[in-house]
Amino acid sequence: SQTIHQWPATLVQPVGSPLSLECTVEGTSNPNLYWYRQAAGRGLQLLFYSVGIGQISSEVPQNLSASRPQDRQFILSSKKLLLSDSGFYLCAWSALGATNEKLFFGSGTQLSVL
Amino acid sequence: KQEVTQIPAALSVPEGENLVLNCSFTDSAIYNLQWFRQDPGKGLTSLLLIQSSQREQTSGRLNASLDKSSGRSTLYIAASQPGDSATYLCAVRRSGYSTLTFGKGTMLLVSP
Repeated sequence: SQTIHQWPATLVQPVGSPLSLECTVEGTSNPNLYWYRQAAGRGLQLLFYSVGIGQISSEVPQNLSASRPQDRQFILSSKKLLLSDSGFYLCAWSALGATNEKLFFGSGTQLSVL
Repeated sequence: KQEVTQIPAALSVPEGENLVLNCSFTDSAIYNLQWFRQDPGKGLTSLLLIQSSQREQTSGRLNASLDKSSGRSTLYIAASQPGDSATYLCAVRRSGYSTLTFGKGTMLLVSP
């Protein structure tokens, strides 16, 4: 069976510090991978998605970046965090090329930038 | 641009009541629609996926319907229980796109 791991669960970082959130998927190959952010009252916002190693699409221009160094690894990064980067970050995967497949989410990372 | 709206934003019902959550979307050219459940501080769990060619899907006490032409979907929960308390989100995948557009969710509280 497929599983998705996301860590850390909680993170408190000062403004201007770097960020690295990691997500890995097990039990499947060539997944579509996604990073979402959920801010209070604003719903779920797609940040990045990837259909393959090194292939990253950005939905929202900002000071965050994403990388996919391996098939089942997706990393969200920032060189300098802003207060507005606070939120609940969710990684997700779906089967590549299967437009009618479900989306599966990790357990999320609550990021507080102070 | 696809927009997804969920009404109501919050709902409180007594245990045992049947209830309906609503989702509407502006672009009817969709591949599928999914309903998710999210518990506080947790990730989302997929409940039901309705393909564009389908009218409804059922899982246990849950039934989701889809009316593409009118841009609407409903999630029906029968005989609600306190354990159903959570936020329910719907999301739509547009034709030609590989990503989902989410509504802001309906926060459901079922009181014992």
